[in-house]
Amino acid sequence: GAGVSQTPSNKVTEKGKYVELRCDPISGHTALYWYRQSLGQGPEFLIYFQGTGAADDSGLPNDRFFAVRPEGSVSTLKIQRTERGDSAVYLCASSLGGTSGYTGELFFGEGSRLTVL
Amino acid sequence: AQSVAQPEDQVNVAEGNPLTVKCTYSVSGNPYLFWYVQYPNRGLQFLLKYITGDNLVKGSYGFEAEFNKSQTSFHLKKPSALVSDSALYFCAVRDMTDTDKLIFGTGTRLQVFP
Repeated sequence: GAGVSQTPSNKVTEKGKYVELRCDPISGHTALYWYRQSLGQGPEFLIYFQGTGAADDSGLPNDRFFAVRPEGSVSTLKIQRTERGDSAVYLCASSLGGTSGYTGELFFGEGSRLTVL
Repeated sequence: AQSVAQPEDQVNVAEGNPLTVKCTYSVSGNPYLFWYVQYPNRGLQFLLKYITGDNLVKGSYGFEAEFNKSQTSFHLKKPSALVSDSALYFCAVRDMTDTDKLIFGTGTRLQVFP
């Protein structure tokens, strides 16, 4: 597709369960970002990939959160032992980061809304 | 570490009047500055950016922003507001000497009244 695609768009789970959120970036974009947006807040940085490797994971809140991008394209954000406080919209973005002409603009998907009951 | 501040939670303006949404930033190096807009239940959409050059940057939907280095500000402006401009606006900054991540402000809700 032409834009960043995120699935599922909505996920309701119970406390303690495991959740995976998927992001399919724009074709050719080498950089991929995960952000978390709680109600009434700005997007909070979680992790950033350049290719297959995590270039900056300083925003992951704890070791229950993990993300992978094994082939440098699709990424999965994994949350173990979910807690009610994990409820938020998880946003994925991609960019031409690291390539010639890159100036920092990110292209966002519409997000995955996670609700932990 | 870089940061941005959006001092106003909400800005109200009448249709046809000029609007300003404020943003100040803090970085250790030279900043890349961005404005994004978010409509209800939608992802963030890029509006405009400042990288270098002219301090007045023009973007999508008639919006513009002025970079002021001495005041460390990057306020978003539009000469004549439309009801359809009502949305949530986010300022973001990237420190050129740091990683490629963007740091976002807390957002300002713009309400344009007919």
